[in-house]
Amino acid sequence: DAGVIQSPRHEVTEMGQEVTLRCKPISGHDYLFWYRQTMMRGLELLIYFNNNVPIDDSGMPEDRFSAKMPNASFSTLKIQPSEPRDSAVYFCASSLSRGDYGYTFGSGTRLTVV
Amino acid sequence: AQSVAQPEDQVNVAEGNPLTVKCTYSVSGNPYLFWYVQYPNRGLQFLLKYITGDNLVKGSYGFEAEFNKSQTSFHLKKPSALVSDSALYFCAVRDPFKAAGNKLTFGGGTRVLVKP
Repeated sequence: DAGVIQSPRHEVTEMGQEVTLRCKPISGHDYLFWYRQTMMRGLELLIYFNNNVPIDDSGMPEDRFSAKMPNASFSTLKIQPSEPRDSAVYFCASSLSRGDYGYTFGSGTRLTVV
Repeated sequence: AQSVAQPEDQVNVAEGNPLTVKCTYSVSGNPYLFWYVQYPNRGLQFLLKYITGDNLVKGSYGFEAEFNKSQTSFHLKKPSALVSDSALYFCAVRDPFKAAGNKLTFGGGTRVLVKP
């Protein structure tokens, strides 16, 4: 298994532009999580899905952020418009519904908004 | 609500010395506990977990952790640290009896620096 695949690995964009981050979870996993990591705030859970349905989006910072999971093998996190304070590393993770199963994280997307 | 505390932001240790990274948790029932490691420019990687059974669990890269229910702790240990163990370590907890979906609660992370 190739693991959780995120793209792109790095993204540099100008303030005000739309940014789309992509994630392919491990086949068969029914949970998908989006996290943001910064030095100041650490690891933050943004949103998570179960069977493609958003369960908790209380961590999404504001309306500029949106996430979708159109099918079991693909999810996107979109920021529109982007701002410099959105600069961070964004991680996707997937898991099974078994309680004793941990998460598998992707390698992350490093976003820089200038 | 479930919570995790990692009281040390950073741990410094000399190569060859024992390494301990502390973690305490709070859940209403019996916890599921996890340790993850993050190397620079990488995602978090699973190290080990405690679900039930023997309080001492062994994981990847020579790491082990001891579950202590009375102290609500799950400290990560390695008998002899390597320079390559320098990384960010995260403890995580799940209360299996809570209707929180499959959500893990992560600690704030502890940076380990192993000096040659």
